[in-house]
This record gives sequence, structure tokens and C-alpha cells, in this order.
Amino acid sequence: QVQLVESGGGVVQPGRSLRLSCAASGFTFSSYAMHWVRQAPGKGLEWVAVISFDESSKYYPDSVKGRFTISRDNPKNTLYLQMNSLRPEDTAVYYCAREPRSITMIRGVICDYWGQGTLVTVSS
Amino acid sequence: QSVLTQPPSVSAAPGQKVTISCSGSSSNIGDNYVSWYQQLPGTAPKLLIYDNNKRPSGIPDRFSGSKSGTSATLGITGLQTGDEADYYCGTWDSSLSAGVFGGGTKLTVL
Repeated sequence: QVQLVESGGGVVQPGRSLRLSCAASGFTFSSYAMHWVRQAPGKGLEWVAVISFDESSKYYPDSVKGRFTISRDNPKNTLYLQMNSLRPEDTAVYYCAREPRSITMIRGVICDYWGQGTLVTVSS
Repeated sequence: QSVLTQPPSVSAAPGQKVTISCSGSSSNIGDNYVSWYQQLPGTAPKLLIYDNNKRPSGIPDRFSGSKSGTSATLGITGLQTGDEADYYCGTWDSSLSAGVFGGGTKLTVL
């Protein structure tokens, strides 16, 4: 069965960096695009990034562009999110999610499987 | 503010039907496909509807989706107490080149 397990969350000071990981199993990871989606405490979902199966395409919202980098290691079945220059407003549970469609001509956000999330708290 | 607009809350009695709206613009809902997600308290979101009106396997036909112009709607019939959750719409925004979600709607089954 499809499993996504995030790790790497924790408490970090503003301006510092953190790298999240998402270990995938139960499907051919190298064939799927992947998303990161976050949820601040008590708030709604916010889309953070998407990466194509071969890393040729990556997209970010303006809120994290230039600070966050999505990447993947297909032989290790692992997705990453490198977060730099962290701000208090980046505090959230971060979920990784599988996208069943190619994002070459992306026409939607379909997150068909989600991990359980990892909490990132940015505070001094 | 979210790019997509949803009502903060809706409610209905068990067995009844409820609809949740999601309003956007020509660059997101008007130009792309809408998905809907259910988030039960303390859990990760779950895909309910994709491509405006398609259900993944295992999702009961009590859940339906539709789209017209720059708005989309999630319908739930035969409401059960287990349907109490937050519901989110999502799509791609062609102008922003980014994914976007609605602010979420809390469903209460009275």
C-alpha cells in the first residue's frame, strides 16, 4: 500500500534553515510528481511546492519562492523540502502528497495520497 | 486571504443534503480542474473528488462534484455524523503558476 512518511520537523529560530524528508513506499516513486502542502495551526491548507517525476519542473508560490527548494532522490524513494530563511509565519504541519498526473501541462492539483505530516515551529 | 473562496461553515441534519461552494476566477477554476478534500479532525486530508466530478475508488457516491464557469460545488447526500470535517477545494492557477486552495469549510451534522 502507498505510504508517505515525513520527518525532519522541529523547533527552529527565525532566519535558520531546516530540511524535511518524505520517505515513499508502496508505489513506483520515480514515476510520480510530488507536492508539499502545509497547514498552520488552526488554519487551512496552503500549497507549498510541486516537483515533476524527473525534477525537470518545479513550482512554488510567491510566499516561499527563493527560500524553499523542493528536490527528490529517486533511487532512495525520498522527497525533500529545503527551507531557508525561515519566518514565524512558516510555522505549520508540512505534508507531502503524491500527484498522479504529469505536471508537464499541469491543469490541477490532485493529491491522492498524503503523509501524516511533520510539525515545523519557527520561534525564538 | 485564499485565492479560492469557500463559506466558513455549513450545517445540516443527518440524512439531509448539503452543498459547499468554491468560487475562483478565470485563471484558476475557470481554466483548470478542481479537486476536493476532506479533513477529519486530527488527520491528514483525503482526496474526495478530482477533475471536477470524478471520485477515486473507495469514495461513496454520496459525494459529488460539479463546476460551472469560475465556481465549483461539492455535494454530500445522506449526511452522516462521520462526515463532520473540514472540506477544501483546490486547483491550479495558470496566472500564478501555483497551486491554490480554498480557505476551507467546516461541516457540522446537527
